[in-house]
Order: sequence, then C-alpha cells, then structure tokens
Amino acid sequence: EDQVTQSPEALRLQEGESSSLNCSYTVSGLRGLFWYRQDPGKGPEFLFTLYSAGEEKEKERLKATLTKKESFLHITAPKPEDSATYLCAVQEIAGNNRKLIWGLGTSLAVNP
Amino acid sequence: DVKVTQSSRYLVKRTGEKVFLECVQDMDHENMFWYRQDPGLGLRLIYFSYDVKMKEKGDIPEGYSVSREKKERFSLILESASTNQTSMYLCASSLGRRKYFGPGTRLLVL
Repeated sequence: EDQVTQSPEALRLQEGESSSLNCSYTVSGLRGLFWYRQDPGKGPEFLFTLYSAGEEKEKERLKATLTKKESFLHITAPKPEDSATYLCAVQEIAGNNRKLIWGLGTSLAVNP
Repeated sequence: DVKVTQSSRYLVKRTGEKVFLECVQDMDHENMFWYRQDPGLGLRLIYFSYDVKMKEKGDIPEGYSVSREKKERFSLILESASTNQTSMYLCASSLGRRKYFGPGTRLLVL
C-alpha cells in the first residue's frame, strides 16, 4: 500500500539547535514530493517541491533533500517562529496527478 | 499573492442540517480541492474540481457533495450533517502542482 510516514511525530528544540525531520514514502514511482508548513488554526503553506533523488532546495533556515525512499527537512539554527507542524505529501506517477498522499506531520516546537 | 478565502472560520450546526461551505480563489486557478483534517488521520481529500461544472470524488466523498458554477468558487455541501463530520475543512486551489490553502473552517456538528 502506498504511504507516507513522517518522524518524529513531535520534536522540541532549543533555539539554535539544528535538527532534521524525516518523510519516508513507499510509492511505485515518484512524480513529486512536497513540504508544507502549517501554523495552528491555519491552512498549510507551501515550502518546497522535490522531483528526483539528489535534489535539494533551500529557504532561509530550511533545506529539503530527497533520496529514492525518503526526504529530510533540515532546520539550521531554528528560531521560535519556526514552530509549526511540517507536512510532507507525495504525488505518484501512476496515480491521478491531482491527488496527493499526505503524511501526518511533525509538530515542531522551538523554545527561546 | 494568491488568496484563497473560506466563508467561515468557525461553524456550529445541528445534526441533520444542510451545511454549505464556500471557498473563493482570486488567481484564476483551474483546480480546486476540499480536504478535511482530523488528528491522527491527517489531510483527506473529499472532492476536487479541475474545471467549471467538473468534479471528481476524492478518498472520502460519502456524505458530501460539491458545486462549481464559477471558476473562482467551489462549494462543499453536507446534505445532512452528522456528528462524525465534525472536523477542520480546508479548501485549496492550484494551477500546477503547488497548492494554495485557505485558512480553514472548523465545523462542529452537535
């Protein structure tokens, strides 16, 4: 069964303490992998799209990487404003190209 | 900036009521989506539309219907609300693969 698994479920960091979030996936063929950020009570906000193994994208303190089985969202020297839930979603080649398989997210808290 | 707006942030309805959730996007996107988000279950696709008057069922369409009479507006209808439809409802639009989400409607069915 195609699925997307995110780990850890929750992560608490001190300000400045770098770490990584993981998104592992099992699909027959990857069309794209997406990272979104969601603040409490709000809709998800797009961060990155990755298409092929070896690809990397960066935005401020965030860097997303992709292998054939998983993606990492690296957070360098996080600040309290980086606290949010980070969602991963996968679009597979064989499926309807408008449907995504979503992970359950990693809830990140950054303490000052 | 793309803007996706939803008609209500919070809604309280009674079991059996007909409920309308409205979503409007201002960027002429062809694709629009309705999701619900529940703890432990994540985002689940209810319906999507790729053009005016066109719709396709998502993963959990039972108990819902949709309407898209104009390109910018996508409505979700709960024909007879039930307590298990208490949830956060999120609307999204897209032109390519990137989705733009609205702020969500938190619906409580009593």
